[in-house]
Amino acid sequence: LAKTTQPISMDSYEGQEVNITCSHNNIATNDYITWYQQFPSQGPRFIIQGYKTKVTNEVASLFIPADRKSSTLSLPRVSLSDTAVYYCLVSGMDSSYKLIFGSGTRLLVRP
Amino acid sequence: SQTIHQWPATLVQPVGSPLSLECTVEGTSNPNLYWYRQAAGRGLQLLFYSVGIGQISSEVPQNLSASRPQDRQFILSSKKLLLSDSGFYLCAWRRGGGWYEQYFGPGTRLTVT
Repeated sequence: LAKTTQPISMDSYEGQEVNITCSHNNIATNDYITWYQQFPSQGPRFIIQGYKTKVTNEVASLFIPADRKSSTLSLPRVSLSDTAVYYCLVSGMDSSYKLIFGSGTRLLVRP
Repeated sequence: SQTIHQWPATLVQPVGSPLSLECTVEGTSNPNLYWYRQAAGRGLQLLFYSVGIGQISSEVPQNLSASRPQDRQFILSSKKLLLSDSGFYLCAWRRGGGWYEQYFGPGTRLTVT
């Protein structure tokens, strides 16, 4: 399984765009990248998933460069309610049963 | 739609006592099931995962065990709890065999005293 590295914490202000980068240098050809959001005392919630280039949904965008050794979760115009821990996971078809979370990035959005 | 249940929601147990946490999933069949533990202020630690009835893979050797007696039921057990077993226990499910996201239950807050 590819090991992931994320910043431990980030600070932002309401209305700003936040970019959280995850490093996964040993990502395999069949691996995909998934991001989750977790609020205190709740289970993580799926945000977005991708394999390469750019993926966008109603809450976030995911940018994956050509070498796929990193990925960036982009949250447009954050609000106080986006304060949470964000996890990046890398998993593939061969190891898709085993899903291991890293330490995550604790995002604090200030007014 | 699919729903995942966990119980109890909170539990306070003395050291050395047994433990049984239950997780059930509705609205899907043959899910992959997972148990995670989260210590206060920490990330999620994968404890067990199961791809089918009776098939359990352990990630962390410790005093916990898991069983899957039915397709959509996953049980986490211990014969003797340790103080270090305190934490937030999360059950999750996902469709198998592809790039599917996980869905998490509400969790059980366990305090070992």
